[in-house]
Amino acid sequence: GAVVSQHPSRVICKSGTSVKIECRSLDFQATTMFWYRQFPKQSLMLMATSNEGSKATYEQGVEKDKFLINHASLTLSTLTVTSAHPEDSSFYICSAVEGRGAYNEQFFGPGTRLTVL
Amino acid sequence: DAKTTQPPSMDCAEGRAANLPCNHSTISGNEYVYWYRQIHSQGPQYIIHGLKNNETNEMASLIITEDRKSSTLILPHATLRDTAVYYCIVKGGSEKLVFGKGTKLTVNP
Repeated sequence: GAVVSQHPSRVICKSGTSVKIECRSLDFQATTMFWYRQFPKQSLMLMATSNEGSKATYEQGVEKDKFLINHASLTLSTLTVTSAHPEDSSFYICSAVEGRGAYNEQFFGPGTRLTVL
Repeated sequence: DAKTTQPPSMDCAEGRAANLPCNHSTISGNEYVYWYRQIHSQGPQYIIHGLKNNETNEMASLIITEDRKSSTLILPHATLRDTAVYYCIVKGGSEKLVFGKGTKLTVNP
């Protein structure tokens, strides 16, 4: 299957700083990428849909000014957690859809563990 | 909200078949059934998907009832590495995968 990478795999930062997480599709072009968040012992929660060349679509309750998403190319989307606080500590996972078909497979990255002190 | 119902946990003996059920009684005609699994602290892994016919690949088999209101994921010979949370997801053409709570499968030696 197609490969999606994330960088960094884990990051620890101080409260108030901003953190950028990269999501790359390594061997395919992804017009659509998704960002999820997962708290301990909970399921994945969709945060936003990222479309190449356009603004991201955020799910209800997700602050777009706090979680900045940029999908500048067909292989890269970035999530920036601005002014991070301890409650933003979570496991952030991206996924990418190969191709433009509505039923195309969605491939997930390995996740990024964010800890805000 | 997730459109599926799964048991919260299941156990299976290593080497035996693991049969994971999923109810999706409100599934509509253009929606597929997808299965993903998540091993601890990793991203979800695609397993299989189907519309109405049974499907099989190198990882698993998917059995969908004729009325499409339920399905079963079958891991034919479970190994310890199959211990994970398994998610059954119904998805139409919007491309959004909405994850429910899934089934935590524990494969015991």
